[in-house]
Amino acid sequence: EVQLAESGGGLVQPGGSLRLSCAASGFSFSAYNMNWVRQAPGKGLEWVASISSSSNTIYYADSVKGRFTISRDNANNSLYLEMNSLRAEDTAVYYCARPPAPLPPTFTWYCDLWGRGTLVTVSS
Amino acid sequence: EFVLTQSPGTLSLSPGERAPLSCRASQTIDSNYLAWYQHKPGQPPRLLIYGASKRVSGIPDRFSGSGSGTDFTLTISRLEPEDFAVYYCQRYGSSPPITFGQGTRLEIK
Repeated sequence: EVQLAESGGGLVQPGGSLRLSCAASGFSFSAYNMNWVRQAPGKGLEWVASISSSSNTIYYADSVKGRFTISRDNANNSLYLEMNSLRAEDTAVYYCARPPAPLPPTFTWYCDLWGRGTLVTVSS
Repeated sequence: EFVLTQSPGTLSLSPGERAPLSCRASQTIDSNYLAWYQHKPGQPPRLLIYGASKRVSGIPDRFSGSGSGTDFTLTISRLEPEDFAVYYCQRYGSSPPITFGQGTRLEIK
């Protein structure tokens, strides 16, 4: 079955760190650019970061630049989001998401495959 | 800064009615790179439309997308009970950022 499954969410104090994982299965993970998207409570969807299939091209939203790091391990079909210096406003459900086809590295595209999300709560 | 503005913020309608949801861009969207998603609580977003008007396989034909340039519309022709959700438009393209609208909540009247 083609699917994405996030893990690693939880409660963390302001200023703390957390590492999210996304396990991919059922498709050629190494061929696809991948994305993290989040939704804060009561808010809309917000793009967080994107990484190309070979990790050569990486983009971040301004709101997380310098604090978050996206990475991937194609050998293990996994996507990661290292989150440092966390703030209350980072509290959200974090989704990993995949576009419908392999794309050039710079393309930040719509996504037809999403995980169910993992909740990150930043609070003291 | 590129912004997508969705209206109305909340739309209250009854099953069987027609629902027009608007998405307006602050700048022209090239090549109609505009997608629509449906999002229900506890579920991941569901892609409905891409390329402004191309319906994803398996999406009922009561969902249709239209528009170009800066003005886009998602229309649900006859609302079914399962259609009540939040809908987002999204700009995508050959470079970042990915931008979402703030969403339209479609609620049962």
